[in-house]
Amino acid sequence: KQEVTQIPAALSVPEGENLVLNCSFTDSAIYNLQWFRQDPGKGLTSLLLIQSSQREQTSGRLNASLDKSSGRSTLYIAASQPGDSATYLCARGYGNKLVFGAGTILRVKS
Amino acid sequence: EAGVTQFPSHSVIEKGQTVTLRCDPISGHDNLYWYRRVMGKEIKFLLHFVKESKQDESGMPNNRFLAERTGGTYSTLKVQPAELEDSGVYFCASSQEHLGQGVVSGANVLTFGAGSRLTVL
Repeated sequence: KQEVTQIPAALSVPEGENLVLNCSFTDSAIYNLQWFRQDPGKGLTSLLLIQSSQREQTSGRLNASLDKSSGRSTLYIAASQPGDSATYLCARGYGNKLVFGAGTILRVKS
Repeated sequence: EAGVTQFPSHSVIEKGQTVTLRCDPISGHDNLYWYRRVMGKEIKFLLHFVKESKQDESGMPNNRFLAERTGGTYSTLKVQPAELEDSGVYFCASSQEHLGQGVVSGANVLTFGAGSRLTVL
């Protein structure tokens, strides 16, 4: 069973804070690890994709790491802004499909 | 570049009725995926098309669900007859390359549509 767990389920932080979202998966056999953002009523926006041969990816204030041996990925958001408020989803690429975690609901207060 | 388009955005039907959801992928994307999120659960894979062929339909819950992609362009997902537990959000996604291919170019990154919310009463 390819489970993906995300912690915390919800997070509320003041603007400007650096924060870390965690994702863990039970099977170390992995093709890639993808982080998405979902805004209410909208689709999923891909933030970062880490291939199995890579250890991290960076895009602007976002940095995602992948540790296959421990079955973990983290998404680091620097200097958080109210516009970062959304649900963040981690998904493990398994064969031709993504296995999603339940998500972390992030609220950044101004 | 136009994104992945899904229609309708929201559908409310009675139990036992039929609903057809449509997905228009990004032009040129051979790979098309359907996912869904039912209440309180994670987003789950339903099936994967490569052009007009079903590559993997292991996630389809039962034979009340029928997906087609005639001509390898847009896809439809029909639920007939709909049951209460089918309520949720149905997402479509497309990609240029197969998700499992370890290309670094990003051609295997899935682009998702906004989803079709289905409410079965």
